[in-house]
Amino acid sequence: NAGVTQTPKFQVLKTGQSMTLQCAQDMNHEYMSWYRQDPGMGLRLIHYSVGAGITDQGEVPNGYNVSRSTTEDFPLRLLSAAPSQTSVYFCASSYDGTAASGNTIYFGEGSWLTVV
Amino acid sequence: KNQVEQSPQSLIILEGKNCTLQCNYTVSPFSNLRWYKQDTGRGPVSLTIMTFSENTKSNGRYTATLDADTKQSSLHITASQLSDSASYICVVSFMNRDDKIIFGKGTRLHILP
Repeated sequence: NAGVTQTPKFQVLKTGQSMTLQCAQDMNHEYMSWYRQDPGMGLRLIHYSVGAGITDQGEVPNGYNVSRSTTEDFPLRLLSAAPSQTSVYFCASSYDGTAASGNTIYFGEGSWLTVV
Repeated sequence: KNQVEQSPQSLIILEGKNCTLQCNYTVSPFSNLRWYKQDTGRGPVSLTIMTFSENTKSNGRYTATLDADTKQSSLHITASQLSDSASYICVVSFMNRDDKIIFGKGTRLHILP
């Protein structure tokens, strides 16, 4: 049971490049989400999904796209990377529910992204 | 403004000692409050989850308390170990709002041998 798996672990991008952060979970969780963590700030919600085919915006969605074609996968796309997107990104999932439910949210190990 | 404030920002204690971390929030309507442990370079790991009707929850040497009236929570760590060195994050969710989940900035705990 791998839990929540994120790839890549580390990535350096040039301004304007595009890339996709991959996230997969093997727990059959309905709820998946992406966060970014910046120094001196709490994690902030970028996008989330309450099930396959359903996605919605979080607190800081600008510059990011997501899709949820399967229950297992929830990729995060940066269409045109900017230095302001330098951050640590965490994917998370939760069973059959939502952030408002009492279900445990499981996090991946993080992806360190630097945009130069 | 909906906020989650944690204190202290950092804390240093000796191995074997107890400590208490604080979390104050202004989130409304409140759904649940979670405490997470985040080791350096790793993802957060859940310690406890409490709804508004619960006022205490334990997980081994970790005990969380919640006072929904004063909107305060604490995380008490008993008989600290070197492996407890980490950031501890308080997370508050809104009732019926999946786009509203607020993370505190965390308390950085250092355990000295």
